[in-house]
Amino acid sequence: EPEVTQTPSHQVTQMGQEVILRCVPISNHLYFYWYRQILGQKVEFLVSFYNNEISEKSEIFDDQFSVERPDGSNFTLKIRSTKLEDSAMYFCASSPRTSGEQETQYFGPGTRLLVL
Amino acid sequence: AQSVAQPEDQVNVAEGNPLTVKCTYSVSGNPYLFWYVQYPNRGLQFLLKYITGDNLVKGSYGFEAEFNKSQTSFHLKKPSALVSDSALYFCAVRYISSGSARQLTFGSGTQLTVLP
Repeated sequence: EPEVTQTPSHQVTQMGQEVILRCVPISNHLYFYWYRQILGQKVEFLVSFYNNEISEKSEIFDDQFSVERPDGSNFTLKIRSTKLEDSAMYFCASSPRTSGEQETQYFGPGTRLLVL
Repeated sequence: AQSVAQPEDQVNVAEGNPLTVKCTYSVSGNPYLFWYVQYPNRGLQFLLKYITGDNLVKGSYGFEAEFNKSQTSFHLKKPSALVSDSALYFCAVRYISSGSARQLTFGSGTQLTVLP
């Protein structure tokens, strides 16, 4: 069964450094998402992406964040200058093209980011 | 604004007994409701969803959930719990409006422990 994959599984970085989190959504999916989960807190929506542009973003998704689909398979989240409070598990998700199934978002295993 | 409440942080049940994990939502308009499960060091796995139609929806691994509009609830149930069902369960809602917003709003999660 196709799955969303994410790399790396863990990343440790110094405050102020740039990080890029990578995701490979399920093939033929059209909608892509990033969520994050700070330890002990809820899963929070960051951004959704469709047709090569951002379709929604939350208040968390400020100018430090950007997303890109550099080729036909990858979907990346970049944090330009990491802060301590960016430490979290970051989940990528994608949803299908098939009408009716568009509502189901399938999640990857996550990237645990630790900012020191 | 949409929100989801999972009133129980922890649910313990004996193997073979029925289980219920509670979820209530607050949203204006018609909601799409979802249940996801998270095993340790794994991503969020889709279990089931309510979009429209029959209020009782059946999902993976023998789980089901009942949409109750009057009580604004979407409780997850299983007739006979297995030890392998022990995991963190998340309820999520998507508010359906005239726009294209697809973000999911998650509850805080309920840790289910099935005791042998």
